[in-house]
Formats: sequence, structure tokens, C-alpha cells
Amino acid sequence: EAQVTQNPRYLITVTGKKLTVTCSQNMNHEYMSWYRQDPGLGLRQIYYSMNVEVTDKGDVPEGYKVSRKEKRNFPLILESPSPNQTSLYFCASSLSTGVWDEQYFGPGTRLTVT
Amino acid sequence: GNSVTQMEGPVTLSEEAFLTINCTYTATGYPSLFWYVQYPGEGLQLLLKATKADDKGSNKGFEATYRKETTSFHLEKGSVQVSDSAVYFCALSDLGGAQKLVFGQGTRLTINP
Repeated sequence: EAQVTQNPRYLITVTGKKLTVTCSQNMNHEYMSWYRQDPGLGLRQIYYSMNVEVTDKGDVPEGYKVSRKEKRNFPLILESPSPNQTSLYFCASSLSTGVWDEQYFGPGTRLTVT
Repeated sequence: GNSVTQMEGPVTLSEEAFLTINCTYTATGYPSLFWYVQYPGEGLQLLLKATKADDKGSNKGFEATYRKETTSFHLEKGSVQVSDSAVYFCALSDLGGAQKLVFGQGTRLTINP
């Protein structure tokens, strides 16, 4: 089944404890992206990747890192999480970087930082 | 910068009612426009899209028409069902660089039987 998977789905952690949220897609998609969803703000892009070893900042990159060593994986790293990073996170992928391409979203990771 | 504005929610309707969720946008150039739907506990799914002015996207009884003159992409459905209860997001593709979706804030729709 074609899908984007994320792990974990739920995570509660404490301020400053490094964590990684994994994202994997099995559709051989070129483009991958991370968004965060906050009430009243919709989704905002954190980072994106147009191909292996090519990543760039989105609108809200502060406090996050990413890597794209393999085409299928695009982990999101929080080196020192803070409470303002409590949010619902979505990974997405699309076949190419054409602006008309549908993006496929993972099921989301709900992160709480205390 | 590019932006999307959706009507405030939540919206509550009875089954078989007519649905309109308003969406207007601000963008340079001619972006593609999308409606995504998020069912409870799930990620977003593409509902429909339109890539140029006057295009009509449609899927599952939902429709939206790309109106350049009014910079709008309103979502409509003639007869809603309980299963349509979800959060709906209007979005546009940002043409400024990599493919990026700019989302509205989302509209929560609840359909009562």
C-alpha cells in the first residue's frame, strides 16, 4: 500500500531532551516536507527536501533539523525541544516538485513538550 | 507574501443541507488551488484541485471553481452526509521556489443526522 508513515504517533517529552520523529514513504517520491499544525494557524512548513541530500528551510525552521540521506526517509530532529514546539506534526511527500502535484500526508505525530 | 483565508468555523449543518465553505487567496502569479480534508485522527487527503483560472475541481460530490477575478475557491456540496464531518483546508501552491502549500486555518464541519 502506498503510504507515508510517521513514528511515533504520540510523544510526551521534557524540555531539552533531544528527539527524532521519523518519516518514511514507499512511493519513490522526490519531494518531502514537514509541517506543523497549530489551532487557528493551519499548517506551516518547517523544512522541505527536493531530493537526496537537498534540504531547505520552510517558514518556521527555528529549533528543528532534518536530513535526507535516503530517498524514502526524512527524519525531523528537535535537538533541544521547548514547550512552544508542542504541536501536531505532519510529514508529506509528492512525486515531483511540480506545483500542481498532490502531496501525500502521513497520519501525524502529536508532540507535547513539558 | 501568499496567503489563504477561510471562513471561520466551526460549521454545523444537518444531513442533506447545502454546504459552502468560503476561501479567498492572495498570491502573485497563478498558483494551483487545493482543498484538503482531514478526518478525525488522520492526516490530510487531497479532496480536489484546480490548476488554472475557471477550472472546476470536483470529487465525492464536492466542487470548487478557481475564480481569478474574485481570488476565490469556495467549496460546495449540494447534500452533505454525516460522513463528511471533518476539517477542511484550502491551500495554494507557492510559486516562489520549491513546491510549498500555503494553508488556510481550516474549517471544522460537523454534520448532524
